[in-house]
Amino acid sequence: SQTIHQWPATLVQPVGSPLSLECTVEGTSNPNLYWYRQAAGRGLQLLFYSVGIGQISSEVPQNLSASRPQDRQFILSSKKLLLSDSGFYLCAWRDYRDRSYNSPLHFGNGTRLTVT
Amino acid sequence: GENVEQHPSTLSVQEGDSAVIKCTYSDSASNYFPWYKQELGKGPQLIIDIRSNVGEKKDQRIAVTLNKTAKHFSLHITETQPEDSAVYFCAASPRGGATNKLIFGTGTLLAVQP
Repeated sequence: SQTIHQWPATLVQPVGSPLSLECTVEGTSNPNLYWYRQAAGRGLQLLFYSVGIGQISSEVPQNLSASRPQDRQFILSSKKLLLSDSGFYLCAWRDYRDRSYNSPLHFGNGTRLTVT
Repeated sequence: GENVEQHPSTLSVQEGDSAVIKCTYSDSASNYFPWYKQELGKGPQLIIDIRSNVGEKKDQRIAVTLNKTAKHFSLHITETQPEDSAVYFCAASPRGGATNKLIFGTGTLLAVQP
């Protein structure tokens, strides 16, 4: 079966420091991968998605970047964190074979980032 | 682009009562509508989904209905239990082109009172 791992679970970082959040998926090949941010405990905002190694699409211009160095690894980064980067970051995967995009996203358990 | 609205934002019911959460979407080409449950400190988990060629789907105490003409879909939970308390999200998946994502509603905080 497929599993998705995110780490760390919680992170407290000062303003201006760098960020690296990692997500890995097991049990599937060539998944579509996604980073979402959830602010204020509610809405899910899509930040980046990737359909393959090195292929990144950005949904919202901001202080963050994403990379996919390996098939099942997705990394969210920042060179200098802002207070507004605080939130709950969720990684998700989707089966690449679903060309009609009518299958679910599977989420990890998220990283709670607090920028102080 | 697709826009999903979800109501109510909070819902409190007595244990054993039914709960209904409603969503509307804007893109008539959307063809897939999942529902997620998110417990505190965890990622959203899929609880049920429906595709545009189906009007209703049930799974034990949970059901989802879809009205394509009106562009709305609803989640129904019967015989609610305290463990149903969580935030619920609806989502829609626009079809075609470079679209490769789910658009989420803003969530409903469901509280089931014992």
